[in-house]
Amino acid sequence: DSGVTQTPKHLITATGQRVTLRCSPRSGDLSVYWYQQSLDQGLQFLIQYYNGEERAKGNILERFSAQQFPDLHSELNLSSLELGDSALYFCASSVGSGGRKSTDTQYFGPGTRLTVL
Amino acid sequence: AQTVTQSQPEMSVQEAETVTLSCTYDTSENNYYLFWYKQPPSRQMILVIRQEAYKQQNATENRFSVNFQKAAKSFSLKISDSQLGDTAMYFCAFMNPGAGSYQLTFGKGTKLSVIP
Repeated sequence: DSGVTQTPKHLITATGQRVTLRCSPRSGDLSVYWYQQSLDQGLQFLIQYYNGEERAKGNILERFSAQQFPDLHSELNLSSLELGDSALYFCASSVGSGGRKSTDTQYFGPGTRLTVL
Repeated sequence: AQTVTQSQPEMSVQEAETVTLSCTYDTSENNYYLFWYKQPPSRQMILVIRQEAYKQQNATENRFSVNFQKAAKSFSLKISDSQLGDTAMYFCAFMNPGAGSYQLTFGKGTKLSVIP
């Protein structure tokens, strides 16, 4: 158990709908990262938040958005869902944010499996 | 942009034998970090081992060790005394903290099967 929690574990929805995925980081971790794992794209970084502020953006669609709340949990919002959005969405957390010489390991949650029908 | 390449989509090894998974990467950075993550059938991403580029000594964690060749931009994972529980997808990942983020860039993965 990494200490990172994600809810729900599974989500089945229809095209055009909107869903929210939730992540609680490990105790003491200030950074939250979202990744998408799909068969065709592999594991891709979507976005990072550090202590409530957006820190880095990757291959995140405009239909997707995220935020980190004062209690440091994060939500990933996916809207106007398409079949191709079906994937496993991971949240990871780390203590720091980047930009230092010493690395900071990311610990992953169990993921949310999203199926768009 | 950094890229990570895992050229072996699938591999198999007999239980108790040794196997090496390959990973190459492309970067112009000098200070970076490399990781191997394991994803068993449960889909959980588990950190196996990490290597700091400024360290010449290869990282080791129990049965897992790496062969880090900075000039060749190669980062292979050796699993000794393979166990059935090692059956999983293995992902090589790159991190450049100097970019201001600890985001990871992953390879496509190698599916390892340990045969009894």
